[in-house]
Amino acid sequence: DAKTTQPNSMESNEEEPVHLPCNHSTISGTDYIHWYRQLPSQGPEYVIHGLTSNVNNRMASLAIAEDRKSSTLILHRATLRDAAVYYCIFLPYNFNKFYFGSGTKLNVKP
Amino acid sequence: DGGITQSPKYLFRKEGQNVTLSCEQNLNHDAMYWYRQDPGQGLRLIYYSQIVNDFQKGDIAEGYSVSREKKESFPLTVTSAQKNPTAFYLCASNPRDSNQPQHFGDGTRLSIL
Repeated sequence: DAKTTQPNSMESNEEEPVHLPCNHSTISGTDYIHWYRQLPSQGPEYVIHGLTSNVNNRMASLAIAEDRKSSTLILHRATLRDAAVYYCIFLPYNFNKFYFGSGTKLNVKP
Repeated sequence: DGGITQSPKYLFRKEGQNVTLSCEQNLNHDAMYWYRQDPGQGLRLIYYSQIVNDFQKGDIAEGYSVSREKKESFPLTVTSAQKNPTAFYLCASNPRDSNQPQHFGDGTRLSIL
């Protein structure tokens, strides 16, 4: 299975950077790493994805380790609206299964 | 705007009844998925379909059935064989390319009366 390992929960102060780690030791060379986040009673929302290089978009940055067995989602300045459960998944090239796991619950303190 | 529509948002079922959850997408995506989420847990895959008239079981398919007669529609039936159906159900879709993100609906919350 395409499983990832994430801490159950993390806490951050508002306006500070947050680094959310993810281990994906069984990833293969063609599998993309995706991050999603979920607010209560809503469907998950896409955040960012990448293959080998670090990626940036308006929501976050994704830092991928050189061996690709781990990655870190970086929120540069956490806001209260960033409090959510964050899921790290990787998609096998034939992408026939997504494994979401339990994710990391991020709490942002004012 | 393009997206995924799940209906209804809330659904109640009596013991022994089958119930069907609707999922429609206008994103022209080939692949569609159904997930179940229990309180405080992650998403578990029920069924998925990569092309019309074809679908595969996920990790927890027992007690559920699906059909994929049209590209834009992937309804999920929760049968009376599913002994613990109370959960939050999410439908998702994506193009057949792992470089593209998965899109989700807003979910259907199913409860047993």
